[in-house]
Amino acid sequence: DGGITQSPKYLFRKEGQNVTLSCEQNLNHDAMYWYRQDPGQGLRLIYYSQIVNDFQKGDIAEGYSVSREKKESFPLTVTSAQKNPTAFYLCASSIAGVTDTQYFGPGTRLTVL
Amino acid sequence: GQQLNQSPQSMFIQEGEDVSMNCTSSSIFNTWLWYKQDPGEGPVLLIALYKAGELTSNGRLTAQFGITRKDSFLNISASIPSDVGIYFCAGRGSQGNLIFGKGTKLSVKP
Repeated sequence: DGGITQSPKYLFRKEGQNVTLSCEQNLNHDAMYWYRQDPGQGLRLIYYSQIVNDFQKGDIAEGYSVSREKKESFPLTVTSAQKNPTAFYLCASSIAGVTDTQYFGPGTRLTVL
Repeated sequence: GQQLNQSPQSMFIQEGEDVSMNCTSSSIFNTWLWYKQDPGEGPVLLIALYKAGELTSNGRLTAQFGITRKDSFLNISASIPSDVGIYFCAGRGSQGNLIFGKGTKLSVKP
């Protein structure tokens, strides 16, 4: 049963703490992406990775960090430097590069108290 | 940078009615994608369009890639309650990245 999984579904953290969101895919896709969604807004790209051990900043990378040590996994860390971390975070993957159709995971809602 | 204008922002319709929404831009896009998002879930791809003028259907959904490559529309025929959700358009820009519209929230009254 192939797909993209994100965990946990809901996450609560205190202000000032770093938090890591998980994203795993078993679709054998090369490229993976992280987006942020705020109410009434479109998706905004945080980071993306087209190949293992390589990633690029998206439009709103400040306050976030990522790693891509395995093809299947692309965790996102929301650091204490991110001024407004409360949001819905979506992970996506595509077969190869950025020109391929992206498929999304179910999302993680992060609330920073 | 490249931006998409998606309209309408929200729609309230009666079950059985047809629905139309569109995305426009001042920039040219090479690909148009339409996604649907249910509350608290990730977007699901509905239709992908790759050529100017292309008209593609997926069940009751029909989408077109505008001839100018600056717009796209999505039609839903004979709406049903499970059509409720937020519909996003996305265009692939010159850099290869996806640009998303802000979404059209669809509500369907039984």
